[in-house]
Amino acid sequence: GENVEQHPSTLSVQEGDSAVIKCTYSDSASNYFPWYKQELGKRPQLIIDIRSNVGEKKDQRIAVTLNKTAKHFSLHITETQPEDSAVYFCAASIFPQMNRDDKIIFGKGTRLHILP
Amino acid sequence: EPEVTQTPSHQVTQMGQEVILRCVPISNHLYFYWYRQILGQKVEFLVSFYNNEISEKSEIFDDQFSVERPDGSNFTLKIRSTKLEDSAMYFCASSEGVDYGYTFGSGTRLTVV
Repeated sequence: GENVEQHPSTLSVQEGDSAVIKCTYSDSASNYFPWYKQELGKRPQLIIDIRSNVGEKKDQRIAVTLNKTAKHFSLHITETQPEDSAVYFCAASIFPQMNRDDKIIFGKGTRLHILP
Repeated sequence: EPEVTQTPSHQVTQMGQEVILRCVPISNHLYFYWYRQILGQKVEFLVSFYNNEISEKSEIFDDQFSVERPDGSNFTLKIRSTKLEDSAMYFCASSEGVDYGYTFGSGTRLTVV
């Protein structure tokens, strides 16, 4: 089955600087890669996603890149702010074919600290 | 914005007791999931449910676990005989389709004592 690796596990960034979180996946059939943000004690919330027919997607200060050949994807947060402090999870979804593997698999998470 | 609703928010139960965790997914969503998160760890897949049947389950989802959609709106997770290691945050999620983002509920914190 799919396996998602995420690095780093902890990341501290000065406010205003950029943060990059990287993930790799194992199953080349995966075609959907969402990123979730989880604030302390709260639910994971979808912040951005990318499909395998696209190499990059941007939404204001957040961008995601996908390299299908290398099977890795990254989250980029620019001009970081205190409210960006949270745990970020990457995830990968296996293509929904006859075997109906209809789930997403999460990475282990990156705890992002924005330093004042 | 539509939400996934979970009840209760916190449940404490004695080891060996049965618990039922309840979820109301978003009304036009077709896929339903249960995930769990042990404190400080990653979100782990338990089970997916589509067209009134389980479509996939993980190795965590053993015979002690079951899911139901009894009335077309609620989606429940039952743990028959709870163990200490079942203590975790349980998240229900729903989606329009497998390659759409999930909307998670706010979770039920289950504490087994």
